[in-house]
Amino acid sequence: SQTIHQWPATLVQPVGSPLSLECTVEGTSNPNLYWYRQAAGRGLQLLFYSVGIGQISSEVPQNLSASRPQDRQFILSSKKLLLSDSGFYLCAWSVRDRNQPQHFGDGTRLSIL
Amino acid sequence: AQKITQTQPGMFVQEKEAVTLDCTYDTSDQSYGLFWYKQPSSGEMIFLIYQGSYDEQNATEGRYSLNFQKARKSANLVISASQLGDSAMYFCAMREGMEYGNKLVFGAGTILRVKS
Repeated sequence: SQTIHQWPATLVQPVGSPLSLECTVEGTSNPNLYWYRQAAGRGLQLLFYSVGIGQISSEVPQNLSASRPQDRQFILSSKKLLLSDSGFYLCAWSVRDRNQPQHFGDGTRLSIL
Repeated sequence: AQKITQTQPGMFVQEKEAVTLDCTYDTSDQSYGLFWYKQPSSGEMIFLIYQGSYDEQNATEGRYSLNFQKARKSANLVISASQLGDSAMYFCAMREGMEYGNKLVFGAGTILRVKS
C-alpha cells in the first residue's frame, strides 16, 4: 500500500533562518506531488505541485521554493524565513487519474519567532 | 469569485442524528470532480468521498453520502448517525476540467461538533 511521510512534525525557526521540509512517498511510481499551506482555522492554499522529476509549478509567488530531486521526494525550502511563513504545511500525492483523490501527509507545524 | 463556498463556519449535531454540510461551487467546465475531506484536530487530511460531474448517482461511502445537485452547483455532504469521532473540520474541494496536475481548490471549511 502507498504511504506518505512528512517531517518534521513541528518546527520552530527564527526569522531569517533557512527552511527545508521533506516529503517522501512509498508504494507508487511517478505520482503527482503537492505542497499546501494552511493558516490557523482556514482552508488549504496550494503552493507548489509537480508532475515529474525536476518539474515544479508555483501557484503563489512568495518566499518559498520547491524541488523534486527524485521521483517520490518533494522538498519545500526557503533561504530566509519571514514571520508570515508561519503555518501548517501539508504534502500530498495523487496518481495521474484525475478522478482519484489526493492523499496527505500528517503535516508540519511551522512557527517563526 | 470563490470557486468553492462553504457557508457554514460551524455546525452542531446531536450524536446519532444526521447532518448536512453545504458546499457550492463555481465552474464553467463540463468535466470536474468534487471531493470531501475531514481534518481532525490532529491535522491530517482524510479523504471521505468523491463525485464526478458525469456521475448520475449520488456517491456514498458508508455513513457518508453526497447530495449532488448539478443544476444548482451544489455538492452537500450528508453524515448519517453522527458519532463523537465525527467532530472535525470538513473541507469541500473541486478539480476542474482537464486541469494540469489535477489541482484541487479547497473551500474555507466547516467545523462540525457532535454533542453527546
